[in-house]
Amino acid sequence: NAGVTQTPKFQVLKTGQSMTLQCAQDMNHEYMSWYRQDPGMGLRLIHYSVGAGITDQGEVPNGYNVSRSTTEDFPLRLLSAAPSQTSVYFCASSYSNPGTSGFNEQFFGPGTRLTVL
Amino acid sequence: AQRVTQPEKLLSVFKGAPVELKCNYSYSGSPELFWYVQYSRQRLQLLLRHISRESIKGFTADLNKGETSFHLKKPFAQEEDSAMYYCALRKVGCGYSSASKIIFGSGTRLSIRP
Repeated sequence: NAGVTQTPKFQVLKTGQSMTLQCAQDMNHEYMSWYRQDPGMGLRLIHYSVGAGITDQGEVPNGYNVSRSTTEDFPLRLLSAAPSQTSVYFCASSYSNPGTSGFNEQFFGPGTRLTVL
Repeated sequence: AQRVTQPEKLLSVFKGAPVELKCNYSYSGSPELFWYVQYSRQRLQLLLRHISRESIKGFTADLNKGETSFHLKKPFAQEEDSAMYYCALRKVGCGYSSASKIIFGSGTRLSIRP
């Protein structure tokens, strides 16, 4: 299993540009989420999904869109990049069925380092 | 609103000394709490969860509902414990979608001095 994969690893954007951060998992996890990691602020939840077709907002959703058309993929879209979105982005996934072994242990991707100029 | 607070950004202790990383939470319900660790150049990974009542790499954490705390402890620190530690809370109940929200604290960087 590849686990949770993220692409790209690094990205530089200009203000106003749009882009999509890709996240995929091959563990058949229902739950997937996106976090941003900023110094002194830890991990903040952007959006999450409890299954294909179901998404919800986290703590800092503004400026980001998500969709979940398949169990495996959970892309994060930046609509119009701003310097405040410079951060490291992590995707994570987990089982969400309480009867499943390893329930709620989140598996993280390697992260995408995004710089917005 | 649910919140996880880690009051220390940096904790530096000598090898062999006891370690306690503090975590306090605010949540009006039955929480599920976790500790995650991120070693240098590695991914975040689960260290332990309160429902398992386990000891991983010598670390333990006890949920204290009265004090709303979930401090991480280890009696004798080792150099390989140097890492970033995050406390996390999962909201339980109140609907399928909202029940899955997992919130992290701001993290504590643990540095073990030789």
